[in-house]
Amino acid sequence: SQTIHQWPATLVQPVGSPLSLECTVEGTSNPNLYWYRQAAGRGLQLLFYSVGIGQISSEVPQNLSASRPQDRQFILSSKKLLLSDSGFYLCAWRRGATTGELFFGEGSRLTVL
Amino acid sequence: GNSVTQMEGPVTLSEEAFLTINCTYTATGYPSLFWYVQYPGEGLQLLLKATKADDKGSNKGFEATYRKETTSFHLEKGSVQVSDSAVYFCALSRGDTGFQKLVFGTGTRLLVSP
Repeated sequence: SQTIHQWPATLVQPVGSPLSLECTVEGTSNPNLYWYRQAAGRGLQLLFYSVGIGQISSEVPQNLSASRPQDRQFILSSKKLLLSDSGFYLCAWRRGATTGELFFGEGSRLTVL
Repeated sequence: GNSVTQMEGPVTLSEEAFLTINCTYTATGYPSLFWYVQYPGEGLQLLLKATKADDKGSNKGFEATYRKETTSFHLEKGSVQVSDSAVYFCALSRGDTGFQKLVFGTGTRLLVSP
């Protein structure tokens, strides 16, 4: 069966520090991968998606970047965090060419102080 | 563009009450529609889905019918339980170029008291 893992689960970082959140999918190959952010009191915002290794699409301009160094690994990064980067970050995957159902990881809660 | 609008929360109910959470959408063509549920401190889980007009998705006593004429996908449950307390997200999936993205509503928090 397929599983998806994110880490770390919780992170407290000072403003200006770097960020790296990792997401790994197991039990499938060539998944479509997604990073969403859920800010307090708001819905889910799609940040990045990827259809393959090295292929990243950004949905909104921001202080974050994403990379996909391996087929089932998706990394969210920042060189210098802002207060507004605080939120709950969710990684998700989907099989290609399906009706769009996403499978989500457990989430990573980031607090920038 | 594609968008989803959900009713504002929180929705507060007593156990065994009837639940309706409204969801309407704007999209070109024929999107697939979903309800996801998020329990405290967790990621999202798919609750149910419908892929074409008049389809009814159902799971764990929850139901939603894809209404193209009213562009709606309201979530209902006949008798809620305390364990149903969570945030519910309506979403649509649309992809014109073969790649599908999910667009989510802002979520509706449900609080069920004993």
